[in-house]
Amino acid sequence: EVQLLESGGGLVQPGGSLRLSCAASGFTFSNYAMGWVRQAPGKGLEWVSIISGGGSSTDYADSVKGRFAISRDNSKNTLYLQMNSLRAEDTAVYYCATRVSSYAGSFKYWGQGTLVTVSA
Amino acid sequence: EIVMTQSPATLSVSPGERATLSCRASQSVGSNLAWYQQKPGQAPSLLIYGASTRATGIPARFSGSGSGTEFTLTISSLQTEDFAVYYCQQCDNWPVTFGQGTRLEIK
Repeated sequence: EVQLLESGGGLVQPGGSLRLSCAASGFTFSNYAMGWVRQAPGKGLEWVSIISGGGSSTDYADSVKGRFAISRDNSKNTLYLQMNSLRAEDTAVYYCATRVSSYAGSFKYWGQGTLVTVSA
Repeated sequence: EIVMTQSPATLSVSPGERATLSCRASQSVGSNLAWYQQKPGQAPSLLIYGASTRATGIPARFSGSGSGTEFTLTISSLQTEDFAVYYCQQCDNWPVTFGQGTRLEIK
């Protein structure tokens, strides 16, 4: 059974930093691109970042470019999102998700999410 | 960036009836369109990919159609567990983008 388990969310002050983790199991982690998608309270879904299976290729939404960094450790089956210079508008539930090319690039598996609150 | 527009924002339908949800892309995305269902307090789950292919385990009452810029998600004979928010997502161009969602509520 595929499982994605996010952790690391919490309350942080504006300008602060936080690192999210996503522990994966039940599939060959290194074979799949992984992404982060966030959802502000009461709002829709926003793609944040993506990383290739091997970790050599990354991309970011303009809203987080230069502040967030995605990475992965395939030996630990874990995905990360380092978030710096956090702003109030970064407050959201952050989901990690598996992007499957054979599913036309859609996000097939999702974690349960971790809440990040940026507030003084 | 491709803008995805869903309509209506809210759809009220009685159980057992058919629901039709629409999604429009600001430019062609071919068939690279996915639909997700999200229930309160839960993560989104994949329903349809490639515009019309049901994901594993998705009941046949869910069907997707369309290509280019116009897409439809149809749910025939609504069950109580189908009342949720539905999002479309274009997977054709980066950044991938989502529609704002359609809330399907019980009439």
